[in-house]
Amino acid sequence: ELQLVESGGGLVKPGESLRLSCAASGFTFTQAWMAWVRQAPGKGLEWVGRIKSKTDGETIDYAAPVKGRFTISRDDSKNILYLQMNSLKTEDTALYYCTTDTRSWGQGTMVTVSS
Amino acid sequence: QTVVTQEPSLTVSPGGTVTLTCASSTGAVTSGYDPNWFQQKPGLAPRALIYGASNKYSWTPARFSGSLLGGKAALTLSGVQPEDEAEYYCLLKYGGVGVFGGGTKLTVL
Repeated sequence: ELQLVESGGGLVKPGESLRLSCAASGFTFTQAWMAWVRQAPGKGLEWVGRIKSKTDGETIDYAAPVKGRFTISRDDSKNILYLQMNSLKTEDTALYYCTTDTRSWGQGTMVTVSS
Repeated sequence: QTVVTQEPSLTVSPGGTVTLTCASSTGAVTSGYDPNWFQQKPGLAPRALIYGASNKYSWTPARFSGSLLGGKAALTLSGVQPEDEAEYYCLLKYGGVGVFGGGTKLTVL
């Protein structure tokens, strides 16, 4: 059974950093394109970024609001996807979902940025 | 800044048919934008329904169908069930970067 389990969320102050992890199982992670999607409280979905598989060049694309501050990476030896978030802003407050390029979704981990 | 637009809300009667649309600020939506559709119910993670404009997943109910209609991506629900009441989001991809629409709240009444 496919599983995506996010962790690493929490409460941080503006300007601080946080790293989210997503443990994947039940599918061939090395071949999967993976994406992060977020949802602010009471708001709609926002695409954050996507990383392709190593065989597809491990190309990474980011949404404009996070480009230059967030970094997506993957550890294929551990089946883990990461989202490094730097220079966090209050508007980054959201539930962050790990997805298999939006096909399958985890339950999300909450990030709150507040002073 | 690219904007993807959906109807904010729609209402349909049980057993009826409704079409949700997804428009792009850049012009006509084509299959090249890889239109995807998602359903989200309160308190739950989204569930993918359609990819590539019209392709269904193994779990997508037969009453859901996707298409390209009049320069937009469209999601049609035929024979709507009460459990179809939810928020529906479309996703378009622009050179690898995804942009979600604002969502359509579908009420079954």
